[in-house]
Amino acid sequence: GAVVSQHPSWVICKSGTSVKIECRSLDFQATTMFWYRQFPKQSLMLMATSNEGSKATYEQGVEKDKFLINHASLTLSTLTVTSAHPEDSSFYICSASAGTTITDTQYFGPGTRLTVL
Amino acid sequence: GQQLNQSPQSMFIQEGEDVSMNCTSSSIFNTWLWYKQDPGEGPVLLIALYKAGELTSNGRLTAQFGITRKDSFLNISASIPSDVGIYFCAGQLRYNTDKLIFGTGTRLQVFP
Repeated sequence: GAVVSQHPSWVICKSGTSVKIECRSLDFQATTMFWYRQFPKQSLMLMATSNEGSKATYEQGVEKDKFLINHASLTLSTLTVTSAHPEDSSFYICSASAGTTITDTQYFGPGTRLTVL
Repeated sequence: GQQLNQSPQSMFIQEGEDVSMNCTSSSIFNTWLWYKQDPGEGPVLLIALYKAGELTSNGRLTAQFGITRKDSFLNISASIPSDVGIYFCAGQLRYNTDKLIFGTGTRLQVFP
């Protein structure tokens, strides 16, 4: 149980284009989903928190107009990197939490590697 | 963004040896978690700790939630080659749907 998938697993795009990454909880309903970014040899840095049906909460320094997050259902959240530039190249990882009990925790997807040329 | 201090940064050990790594914070956390990340993959949860002083095991892994709520350690006994990877601690301030603050990571290399 507690499986989270991401699609695509990797994407290469030209500078200036937009890229959409999907995060799905496959066997549970996720009240909250999180989006992280990880640069090579670094830790995971939280970008934003999203709750189903409401606007995402962005961390300080993360541009909400550049990284659009939509959490339209309890099993799907999407991250759209708009007008991508080479500095946006990174490993993007989502996590999901059912949030039904005190011990529910976050389960992570396999990540999406974005390369902007 | 905020990160937890994790040490050591990297470890190179021989198969069969025990490993210990820790994580410290200037802030109190109510939940401590330990994850392992393989290259090109997302983190996988190893152990979750919910009470100060709690000591929890998962196979060869043992982790403890510090009494001050500002630290945690992870021990791996009798290491094997598949233990290779990056280990991250993570703290959670409030409850299960709260965001995680990750540690800087410990890169473990195991030699046969």
